[in-house]
Amino acid sequence: DAGVIQSPRHEVTEMGQEVTLRCKPISGHDYLFWYRQTMMRGLELLIYFNNNVPIDDSGMPEDRFSAKMPNASFSTLKIQPSEPRDSAVYFCASRGNTIYFGEGSWLTVV
Amino acid sequence: AQRVTQPEKLLSVFKGAPVELKCNYSYSGSPELFWYVQYSRQRLQLLLRHISRESIKGFTADLNKGETSFHLKKPFAQEEDSAMYYCALSGHAGGTSYGKLTFGQGTILTVHP
Repeated sequence: DAGVIQSPRHEVTEMGQEVTLRCKPISGHDYLFWYRQTMMRGLELLIYFNNNVPIDDSGMPEDRFSAKMPNASFSTLKIQPSEPRDSAVYFCASRGNTIYFGEGSWLTVV
Repeated sequence: AQRVTQPEKLLSVFKGAPVELKCNYSYSGSPELFWYVQYSRQRLQLLLRHISRESIKGFTADLNKGETSFHLKKPFAQEEDSAMYYCALSGHAGGTSYGKLTFGQGTILTVHP
């Protein structure tokens, strides 16, 4: 298995633009997580899904953030409009017996 | 509520010295505990989970329910152990918080030559 696959790996965008991050979980895993990592706040759970259904989105910072999981093999995290304080590494992870992480999407908003 | 506390943000040791990274948790029930490691600019990788009771790269961790701790230990640190280490907790299978992984703030371990 190729593991959890995220795209893009790196993105630099201007403030106000829409950003879409993508994730393909490991096949057969029924949980999917979106985490954000910053120096100041460490790892924060933004939202997680079980069998494609959002279970807990209490970590989503504000309405500018949205996440979807239209099927078992794909999820998106969207930021619209983006702001400089959204600059972070966004990790997707999926869980079978344990949780495996993708390589992260490094977002810079200028 | 579930919470994980790693009291040390930074930890420095010399090569060959013992190392202990502390982790305390708060959870009403029987949690699953994990240690993840993140090398520079890479993904988080699972290092240990308490139910497997195995040793990976010389690291071990014992769950102490009385002290609600899950400290990570290695008797002789190596330079390649330098990384960020995260302790994490999940509810047990069948519980309402199963699946969700709560992380501590992480400890940056630096092993000097």
